[in-house]
Amino acid sequence: QQPVQSPQAVILREGEDAVINCSSSKALYSVHWYRQKHGEAPVFLMILLKGGEQKGHEKISASFNEKKQQSSLYLTASQLSYSGTYFCGTEFMDSNYQLIWGAGTKLIIKP
Amino acid sequence: GAVVSQHPSRVICKSGTSVKIECRSLDFQATTMFWYRQFPKQSLMLMATSNEGSKATYEQGVEKDKFLINHASLTLSTLTVTSAHPEDSSFYICSARVMGQGNNEQFFGPGTRLTVL
Repeated sequence: QQPVQSPQAVILREGEDAVINCSSSKALYSVHWYRQKHGEAPVFLMILLKGGEQKGHEKISASFNEKKQQSSLYLTASQLSYSGTYFCGTEFMDSNYQLIWGAGTKLIIKP
Repeated sequence: GAVVSQHPSRVICKSGTSVKIECRSLDFQATTMFWYRQFPKQSLMLMATSNEGSKATYEQGVEKDKFLINHASLTLSTLTVTSAHPEDSSFYICSARVMGQGNNEQFFGPGTRLTVL
């Protein structure tokens, strides 16, 4: 039931855009996006609950498709501070608030 | 925002000793706390779900007698690694869910780096 995250890693130049995908084999209750820097705990970015939802601001936003099986995180005009590993955490209706985490996408931003 | 603290941040211990890690929600009540471990370059692995006032629910493959969890109050959960061995060396992270909040936003502690010699 682990969601599939892609790509595994991305290397960008500052100012470039990136898209990170998170897919589930069955419909989700919610999707959470977190960013983790090396040696630190994950930091919350956003939660998506509704099919067809789009959230965030112009620089970092996410979408949740109508079937609630795929979410994408969009990083626009990336900054050096965006570097880190991005994880999606997925929640099912009957999961007792537990999140099942994707394997992560490592994002490296170069000046 | 909701803040979760963890103590200690780093611990080095000898094989065979026990280590206690505390997870506290500082400005909110958390009915549910989660304990994760994370190996280098890998995803978070859920170890157990801790509910205040009841026994923790452990994930398959996690030894409950080795990883003792106590959720004594709405703001404190502890994880004790008993008779630690080098293979228990890892990054342990707790998260807490805000009581009464509609969504399931979880707030993470800063993590505890455990090294067993």
